[in-house]
Amino acid sequence: GQNIDQPTEMTATEGAIVQINCTYQTSGFNGLFWYQQHAGEAPTFLSYNVLDGLEEKGRFSSFLSRSKGYSYLLLKELQMKDSASYLCAVRGLYNFNKFYFGSGTKLNVKP
Amino acid sequence: NAGVTQTPKFQVLKTGQSMTLQCAQDMNHEYMSWYRQDPGMGLRLIHYSVGAGITDQGEVPNGYNVSRSTTEDFPLRLLSAAPSQTSVYFCASRPLGLELAGGIEDTQYFGPGTRLTVL
Repeated sequence: GQNIDQPTEMTATEGAIVQINCTYQTSGFNGLFWYQQHAGEAPTFLSYNVLDGLEEKGRFSSFLSRSKGYSYLLLKELQMKDSASYLCAVRGLYNFNKFYFGSGTKLNVKP
Repeated sequence: NAGVTQTPKFQVLKTGQSMTLQCAQDMNHEYMSWYRQDPGMGLRLIHYSVGAGITDQGEVPNGYNVSRSTTEDFPLRLLSAAPSQTSVYFCASRPLGLELAGGIEDTQYFGPGTRLTVL
């Protein structure tokens, strides 16, 4: 399996920028995903990184450093609707069909 | 398209009872999977399938059985429920062969979940 670490909870203010970090074991990596999950709902896809660097999608960006086993999700211009849990997941290196999730970071956006 | 559907939404069982959680998708995805989500532990893969007649174990398969007779359906069976199986169960599907494409084409699509309580 994988040891995937994320902070348990974060709080930020509406309109601000927040960075959610994720670290994982560098062995057995073949792509890193970020999902958003609102309370009581299913996870939905936000972003995917397989190469080093930054991927930008509107207000959301995700960064990956494979040598450091590190990724972050950057959320800009925070809105109240961004209050949710953010899940980091990696795909198995030798088995593309196995995915390992972190425990998620609960983001609270306050006015 | 309905996407991925799951039934029931909620279920309460007594220890030792059996039941089947249903999952169906209408996107013609080859890959389907079952996860359980517990507080503080994230999503853990129970079983997955890459096509009709093909299933394999994930991280936490004990106590669960699966089969895949059609592309659309992937039921999860609990043969003898235990309190440790109290959890929220998510089914997911994705197309195969797009692992190098990356992006949204390669993501998993999750169903709405089944909240199971075993007393």
